Amino acid sequence: DQQVKQNSPSLSVQEGRISILNCDYTNSMFDYFLWYKKYPAEGPTFLISISSIKDKNEDGRFTVFLNKSAKHLSLHIVPSQPGDSAVYFCAARERGGTASKLTFGTGTRLQVTL
Amino acid sequence: NAGVMQNPRHLVRRRGQEARLRCSPMKGHSHVYWYRQLPEEGLKFMVYLQKENIIDESGMPKERFSAEFPKEGPSILRIQQVVRGDSAAYFCASSPVQGNEKLFFGSGTQLSVL
Repeated sequence: DQQVKQNSPSLSVQEGRISILNCDYTNSMFDYFLWYKKYPAEGPTFLISISSIKDKNEDGRFTVFLNKSAKHLSLHIVPSQPGDSAVYFCAARERGGTASKLTFGTGTRLQVTL
Repeated sequence: NAGVMQNPRHLVRRRGQEARLRCSPMKGHSHVYWYRQLPEEGLKFMVYLQKENIIDESGMPKERFSAEFPKEGPSILRIQQVVRGDSAAYFCASSPVQGNEKLFFGSGTQLSVL
C-alpha cells in the first residue's frame, strides 16, 4: 500500500532548464510534506518542505507546489545544475502522528546533463 | 562537527546470524529514528527512540528486531536470526527536539544476508 507515489523513476534535464519532480499521495491525513535529496553512498538530506495550509514554498532555486484537491505536489528546480543530479524523495507526515514518522515515496533519479 | 554516524557501512551476515547496527546521533540530538530501505522501495519508518525510551516502534517487525538507545553510547538496531529478506539499507536519523521533521540522516548501513 504505497501512500506516497513517485511515478517517474528517473528524469533527465539539460543544465539551465527547469526540473519538475512529481509526487502523489493517497492519505488525506497527511498535513506536512518534505523533499529530500540523496547522493550515492550518503543519507538523505532535507531540501524543502510545505505545510498543507500553503500551496507554495520557495527557497532559492527550489520551489514546492501543493495541490491538496488533487493530492499532488511537485518540486521545481530552476535553473538545474549538474550538482542537482541525485535521487529525490518525497515524504509526508500524518496529522496527529509521531512528528518524525515520515512516509517516503520510492524516489526519482534526476540527471542534469551538460 | 560530526553528523550522524553509522557503522558499519557494510555488513555481511549469513542466514541465522545476528546483525548489530550502530548509530551515534549528531551532537546535542536526543531523538533517534531508524528507517529501512528495501531494494526499489522508499524509506520506511521502523522505530523512534529517545534516551532510554522507545517512543514509537510501530514500524518494527514483531519478531527478531529490537532497538535501544542507552543513556551512554550509540543507538543499536539488532536483528536476530537474519534472513535474506532483511537485506536492505538501514538509515538512522536524529533531531534535536521532538516534532522536528527535518531529520538529519546518517549514511546508512548496507546489510547483505547470504
